[in-house]
Amino acid sequence: DIQMTQSPSSLSASVGDRVTITCRASQRISTYLNWYQQKPGEAPRLLIYAASSVQRGVPSRFSGGGSGTDFTLTISSLQPEDFATYYCQQSHTTPRTFGQGTLVDIK
Amino acid sequence: QVTLRESGPALVKPTQTLTLTCTFSGFSLSTSGMCVSWIRQPPGKALEWLARINWDDDKYYNTSLRTRLTIYKDISGDQVVLRMTNMDPADTATYYCARCLTGYGDYADYWGQGTLVTVSS
Repeated sequence: DIQMTQSPSSLSASVGDRVTITCRASQRISTYLNWYQQKPGEAPRLLIYAASSVQRGVPSRFSGGGSGTDFTLTISSLQPEDFATYYCQQSHTTPRTFGQGTLVDIK
Repeated sequence: QVTLRESGPALVKPTQTLTLTCTFSGFSLSTSGMCVSWIRQPPGKALEWLARINWDDDKYYNTSLRTRLTIYKDISGDQVVLRMTNMDPADTATYYCARCLTGYGDYADYWGQGTLVTVSS
């Protein structure tokens, strides 16, 4: 199975900050990489698919990049509603696998 | 409007079989490119992908749980069922079903609210 490793596991940031989360795959996955946001008590929400395609309805402050084994999710200007846990997931190989999550909380 | 809803028992005993149903609307699982996935999340832990069924009835499973899982479409056409045998307390989790789209890998764009399943005697 492909292992997905996110860093950091958690971070504290302020409203308006630029935040970048990294996801590394244990083998090359081209751009078969999705990002999800999850708030407490809620189901995950798709933000980014195919590494850099922004899902309809997702604010433009969210962007994704990378290919091969290294990927990033960037929030250009953190908003109060962005405090949540973020997960990457590879869709290159079955079984699909998720990273362990990155908690973004308020500094 | 796409919606999904998970249903099933909230409590199961160890060694029992869990049967969860995902009832969906707003799309057809007969349409090329459509799929439904099951994902779970133990309390306070990360997401874990379990299984997926495609529009063409292809099925895919989590490697370590493969012998315990079965996914299939209900004859009604608007439900997907996940069965997990030999349940253990470590299987306690919120179970989600999600619509997914294939084409370039796949991604889950609509999710159900999840159903918490507790495994305890």
